[in-house]
Amino acid sequence: DSGVTQTPKHLITATGQRVTLRCSPRSGDLSVYWYQQSLDQGLQFLIQYYNGEERAKGNILERFSAQQFPDLHSELNLSSLELGDSALYFCASSVEGQGGNEQFFGPGTRLTVL
Amino acid sequence: DAKTTQPPSMDCAEGRAANLPCNHSTISGNEYVYWYRQIHSQGPQYIIHGLKNNETNEMASLIITEDRKSSTLILPHATLRDTAVYYCIVRTTTDSWGKLQFGAGTQVVVTP
Repeated sequence: DSGVTQTPKHLITATGQRVTLRCSPRSGDLSVYWYQQSLDQGLQFLIQYYNGEERAKGNILERFSAQQFPDLHSELNLSSLELGDSALYFCASSVEGQGGNEQFFGPGTRLTVL
Repeated sequence: DAKTTQPPSMDCAEGRAANLPCNHSTISGNEYVYWYRQIHSQGPQYIIHGLKNNETNEMASLIITEDRKSSTLILPHATLRDTAVYYCIVRTTTDSWGKLQFGAGTQVVVTP
């Protein structure tokens, strides 16, 4: 158990819908990262927040957005969903945003878009 | 961040040492070598990292060549639970804000 929690574990929805994925970092970790893992793209970095502020962006679509709240939990919002958005979404946390601190990953949310 | 090259797959007998190679010939002086693994659809798990010197922890050992262009992750006594995809990642710890760039990794299968 990494100490990072993600809800829900599974999510099934239809194209065009909007969903919210939630992540609670390890106690004391200020940084949260979101990754997407699909069969054809592998693990891809989406976005990072550090203490409530966006710090780095990766291959995140404009239909996707995220935020980190004052209690440090984070939400990833996916809208206008397409079939290709079906994937595993992982959240990770680390103590600091920069440098060599290892990231601890949650169990992931499996999103299926029908 | 420098790119890495890993074999796509390898098998290992239970109880034997598993030696996982990684090439990172374009690594820069301020870049570390990190290893993570992912057991079937679970979240990736940090294993070990190093800069120049060899490193050891309770999970594995990391051997980095003197020119730093390649490294080897050693699982000393592989068990069936070590079956996973192993990712070798090179990243700077100064400019980067921490994102990890995963490649395809090496699928390791430990057999009885």
